[in-house]
Amino acid sequence: QTVVTQEPSLTVSPGGTVTLTCASSTGAVTSGYYPNWFQQKPGQAPRALIYGTSNRHSWTPARFSGSLLGGKAALTLSGVQPEDEAEYYCLLYCGDGQVFGGGTKLTVL
Amino acid sequence: EVQLVESGGGLIQPGGSLRLSCSASGFTFNIYAIHWVRQPPGRGLEYVSAINYNGDTTYYADSVKGRFTISRDNSKNTLYLQMSSLRADDTAVYYCVKDRGGLIRDMDVWGQGTTVTVSS
Repeated sequence: QTVVTQEPSLTVSPGGTVTLTCASSTGAVTSGYYPNWFQQKPGQAPRALIYGTSNRHSWTPARFSGSLLGGKAALTLSGVQPEDEAEYYCLLYCGDGQVFGGGTKLTVL
Repeated sequence: EVQLVESGGGLIQPGGSLRLSCSASGFTFNIYAIHWVRQPPGRGLEYVSAINYNGDTTYYADSVKGRFTISRDNSKNTLYLQMSSLRADDTAVYYCVKDRGGLIRDMDVWGQGTTVTVSS
């Protein structure tokens, strides 16, 4: 089965910009993988942020944006807020099912 | 308001069976695909299974194929996950997640989860 890889951890300063990436073991990620991104804070259920590569849900702040970057799916946070400290997961549609990445722990420091 | 409420979790012995339910409200259940996602204690999210809007297409992770069965009753706005031959590594919080459409593509609203513990 496809393995989806994310950075295990990243650190960003408040007000800064950070990009999280999501790679597939089968090759370049394209829009056909329908990349989704989710945020999870401790003790809470995950919350959807991005679908279909770059589309925000109605509740997703504008500082979150999705894209394809260098053969990977990417989530960029601009103007990071302290409340953005969380675990972030990507999800790829791989034809015979969907696969989550291992998650990126984002620290705002 | 879109809501998904999972139930049926609990403590079960290895080799046992359990059926999870997900009761949906606030949207037209029979036109959306629905997913099951789990999260073992202290670990990341794991895709488990999904079913399209009318139940004729299903997906399973390799780790549960042949042991878990997903189904839906559109007349009751309810999704099910029948789990059998349970193992210790099935221990997790199980989430029910709505798709944005009828096919299995983009997840949006998550339930709060139900906990399954497989232990003797």
